[in-house]
Amino acid sequence: AQRVTQPEKLLSVFKGAPVELKCNYSYSGSPELFWYVQYSRQRLQLLLRHISRESIKGFTADLNKGETSFHLKKPFAQEEDSAMCYCALKGNTDKLIFGTGTRLQVFP
Amino acid sequence: EPEVTQTPSHQVTQMGQEVILRCVPISNHLYFYWYRQILGQKVEFLVSFYNNEISEKSEIFDDQFSVERPDGSNFTLKIRSTKLEDSAMYFCASGRDRQGNVPLHFGNGTRLTVT
Repeated sequence: AQRVTQPEKLLSVFKGAPVELKCNYSYSGSPELFWYVQYSRQRLQLLLRHISRESIKGFTADLNKGETSFHLKKPFAQEEDSAMCYCALKGNTDKLIFGTGTRLQVFP
Repeated sequence: EPEVTQTPSHQVTQMGQEVILRCVPISNHLYFYWYRQILGQKVEFLVSFYNNEISEKSEIFDDQFSVERPDGSNFTLKIRSTKLEDSAMYFCASGRDRQGNVPLHFGNGTRLTVT
């Protein structure tokens, strides 16, 4: 079964602190993994996809097939990073399977 | 930057009534999707649509649901006879290519409340 698990409902840090939002997945084939974010009063938007291997807004995420994880990391959090963050998986069809989301709160 | 637009932003309807949720995808996009999010739960896939036909649908997307692209610009989701459990935020999304190659663009959502 395809499943995405985000164990933390809420992650609160102070500005400048490192963040790591956990994401684990279950999929028998080779998945594509994404992080989508929703800032306050804004639409859901793509932050990162694993195939790009890029850093966006200082965030990175590495696909670890051995641990079936795709954790989102940033060394120094900023207040504007506060958002609802969703990890998502795409298998061999078009649909995205989302996790339940983690609310990232960055305090000043 | 072009955006996916959804109307209305909030729809209240009585159980058993038909509702149509409307979406205008980005103009050069070819792949269209509906997702929903029941309050406090995860975003769930409903249906994907390409080349004027459904390419995939989930178990949620039963006979009460239908999608249409009537005029080449709008993309609608119809729920024929709403149930209380249909209350959710419904998101339309579009993509220029299949997901994974390019970003999926989401609309702001329509909050459907069934009373």
